Amino acid sequence: GNSVTQMEGPVTLSEEAFLTINCTYTATGYPSLFWYVQYPGEGLQLLLKATKADDKGSNKGFEATYRKETTSFHLEKGSVQVSDSAVYFCALSELNNQGGKLIFGQGTELSVKP
Amino acid sequence: KAGVTQTPRYLIKTRGQQVTLSCSPISGHRSVSWYQQTPGQGLQFLFEYFSETQRNKGNFPGRFSGRQFSNSRSEMNVSTLELGDSALYLCASSLDSGNYNEQFFGPGTRLTVL
Repeated sequence: GNSVTQMEGPVTLSEEAFLTINCTYTATGYPSLFWYVQYPGEGLQLLLKATKADDKGSNKGFEATYRKETTSFHLEKGSVQVSDSAVYFCALSELNNQGGKLIFGQGTELSVKP
Repeated sequence: KAGVTQTPRYLIKTRGQQVTLSCSPISGHRSVSWYQQTPGQGLQFLFEYFSETQRNKGNFPGRFSGRQFSNSRSEMNVSTLELGDSALYLCASSLDSGNYNEQFFGPGTRLTVL
């Protein structure tokens, strides 16, 4: 079945450091890909998305490119802030004739120190 | 526009009891999905409802059930609670699961089973 694999955390960075969180997927067809962020005590917020190969999603300085050849959707940010501390989830959409669902990676906890 | 709301936010139950959680989607959204989040299993899909019909179901026992009302509000029920049912239950809404581009999540209901 379809699956998503993320790099394990926690990831600890200093403010203004470069961030990469790796995400690879296994899927039949061409799913849409997403990054969600979860702040402590809250639900998930969509950070960015890409719906087809070579699409680049971007938001709040974060970006990720849908790479079909490497089945990857790595999240990057050039300069992280303390406020970026959260758990990040990579996900893909799985659609069939019965409806749809999101399949999530295990999440990567990011801690940014001042 | 109001976001997805879930009630209650926190719940404590004992083994063997049953519980009902409620979710109100964003106005105009007709698809509601439920996910269970635990430290061990991560985020797992429970079921999806669209126009009062269950369209998709995850791999959970029959103790987990749900329904959707004509106003798109949804409830999920867990009967005969077990310790392992302790989790954050997240509800997400989208316009239509056929165009599965974005799901909006609520803050979740934290269920603790003692």
